[in-house]
Amino acid sequence: GQQVQQSPASLVLQEGENAELQCNFSSTATQLQWFYQSPGGSLVSLLSNPSGTKHTGRLTSTTVTKERRSSLHISSSQTTDSGTYLCAIDHVGDNSKLIWGLGTSLVVNP
Amino acid sequence: EAAVTQSPRNKVAVTGGKVTLSCNQTNNHNNMYWYRQDTGHGLRLIHYSYGAGSTEKGDIPDGYKASRPSQENFSLILELATPSQTSVYFCASGDGWGSNERLFFGHGTKLSVL
Repeated sequence: GQQVQQSPASLVLQEGENAELQCNFSSTATQLQWFYQSPGGSLVSLLSNPSGTKHTGRLTSTTVTKERRSSLHISSSQTTDSGTYLCAIDHVGDNSKLIWGLGTSLVVNP
Repeated sequence: EAAVTQSPRNKVAVTGGKVTLSCNQTNNHNNMYWYRQDTGHGLRLIHYSYGAGSTEKGDIPDGYKASRPSQENFSLILELATPSQTSVYFCASGDGWGSNERLFFGHGTKLSVL
């Protein structure tokens, strides 16, 4: 079945530095989403990017479908960006269900 | 802003007891989902629903039932709770289908089964 690997597992930055998060998946995906989980646990959808490049604010996601990978670039990181970033891909043949990665834990120090 | 509310926020239950986790959404979304999140695992889908009266099994449905009595409410029921069901449970509603669907999550319910 579909598997999702995220790297790095954790990342520590100084405020103002950029972050590059990776998501690799084992099978073709028609749906790929990035989520943010706050230190308190709440989850927020960041963007959906099954292919190509998408920007929203300081976030840029690039997905290369045939290489089964996606990246999330966070520019000019802020302390409030600290938290866990999760990648989710749809099930092979069932795009009503998502398979989730374990996430990248990001700490941005002042 | 879309709102998904879970109750309770924290719950301690005894083994063999019945637990009901509730979820209410004011988004008028058709799709609703129950996930659990455990260390070492990504979020795992337990049950989901396409609308009032419908429930579908997710990836790990064993030991759980779901109920969708209305568009707004989606409950997760543990008839006989076990310690292995200790976890953080998230409810979500979805506003579309496939790559167009955006999920809105509740704040989670931390369940401890002793």
